[in-house]
Amino acid sequence: QVLLVESGGGVVQPGRSLRLSCAASGFTFNSHGMHWVRQAPGKGLEWVAAIWYDGSKKFYADSVRGRCTISRDNSKNTVYMEMSSLKVEDTAVYYCARVRAVTIIDAFHIWGQGTTVTVSS
Amino acid sequence: SYVLTQPPSVSEAPGQTARIPCGGDDIGSKSVHWYQQKLGLAPVLIVYDDSARPSGIPERFSGSNSGGTATLTISRVEAGDEADYYCQVWDYDSDQWVFGGGTKLAVL
Repeated sequence: QVLLVESGGGVVQPGRSLRLSCAASGFTFNSHGMHWVRQAPGKGLEWVAAIWYDGSKKFYADSVRGRCTISRDNSKNTVYMEMSSLKVEDTAVYYCARVRAVTIIDAFHIWGQGTTVTVSS
Repeated sequence: SYVLTQPPSVSEAPGQTARIPCGGDDIGSKSVHWYQQKLGLAPVLIVYDDSARPSGIPERFSGSNSGGTATLTISRVEAGDEADYYCQVWDYDSDQWVFGGGTKLAVL
């Protein structure tokens, strides 16, 4: 069974840091690009970051560039999102997603259940 | 940055055909993907590369991309189709992935 399970969310004060994890199972993890997508309460989907299958290339939304770092450990079948200098507007459900095929520009086929990040003082 | 435009809501009666448009600059040159998100759940890919369906997605869901607009068509609408629908593309000019604002489908 193909599965993505996010963890690491919680309540954090503005300006602090948080690391999200996404554990993958049921497929060859090191063959697929991975993404993070977020959804603020009552709002639509917003793409956040992407990483190639081997971690050699990374891409970021303008809203998080410089504050977030995506990474992956293919030996642990896990992708990470390190978030720093958190802002209230970063409050959202964060989903990790696997691309349908191999190429990073393919559709987001497999999604995790999401982990909630709340930035509040 | 690239923008995808969707109507906030669409409504249709059961058994009828619902069409959800997605507009963007030169969208015909891009591959458009569509996601369904039901309340409280993660999104589900229902159409990729303009018109292809992943395994397990009913044939009632179809997509097209021509004439300057991408369109998700849901035939024989059912109550269970009530959800938010998002279009999405990769913008090669900026290396960013873009979602439309989403369309809420109401089944009357």
